[in-house]
Amino acid sequence: EIVLTQSPGTLSLSPGERATLSCRASQSVSSYLAWYQQKPGQAPRLLIYAASSRATGIPDRFTGSGSGTDFTLTISRLEPEDFAVYYCQVHDPSRGFTFGPGTKVDIK
Amino acid sequence: DVQLLESGGGLVQPGGSLRLSCAASGFTFSNSAMRWVRQAPGKGLEWISTIIHSGDGTYYADSVKGRFTISRDNSKNTLYLQMNGLRADDTALYYCAKVMDFFYMDVWGKGTTVTVSS
Repeated sequence: EIVLTQSPGTLSLSPGERATLSCRASQSVSSYLAWYQQKPGQAPRLLIYAASSRATGIPDRFTGSGSGTDFTLTISRLEPEDFAVYYCQVHDPSRGFTFGPGTKVDIK
Repeated sequence: DVQLLESGGGLVQPGGSLRLSCAASGFTFSNSAMRWVRQAPGKGLEWISTIIHSGDGTYYADSVKGRFTISRDNSKNTLYLQMNGLRADDTALYYCAKVMDFFYMDVWGKGTTVTVSS
């Protein structure tokens, strides 16, 4: 069973600042990791897939990196619309598809 | 415009049944695997089921195996989730999602709410 740990649980930042979110897997997932953004009252939105590829229409201030067990989502300069919860997700061959617990990015 | 629209949620008593639907438009539904993902109130995301493009392969999370059945009608561009033996911990917002590259979900509906309570 693959367990995903996201840190920090909450990140309090101001618009214009850089956000660095971490996702750690309990075993290697190669580069098969995605990041989703979810705003209150909205469905999740795919941001990054294959660890570092931006999904269609995602601004280049969002960057994904990492492989194996350690992954990072970086938002270079936070815009007001970026304050949301971010989830990482992997495929676990024994259990299907697993999401991390999420990191909330809120306004400081 | 690529779109998914869920329906069928509601209030049901423990042990009851519901069937959710997800109407797809704007893409070739019959070429796409699909998933259901749920989110309990104030909680994170939980994958519950996947169906391959033809409908011949289905997969379930342990939490719903034996109680929920995923299916699709490619002639109607519609995905379904039959939920039987509902429990209080099935209370959640249920999303359908389009699968991309097997591992990811690139299009999501707005969700439909299921509440299991007496």
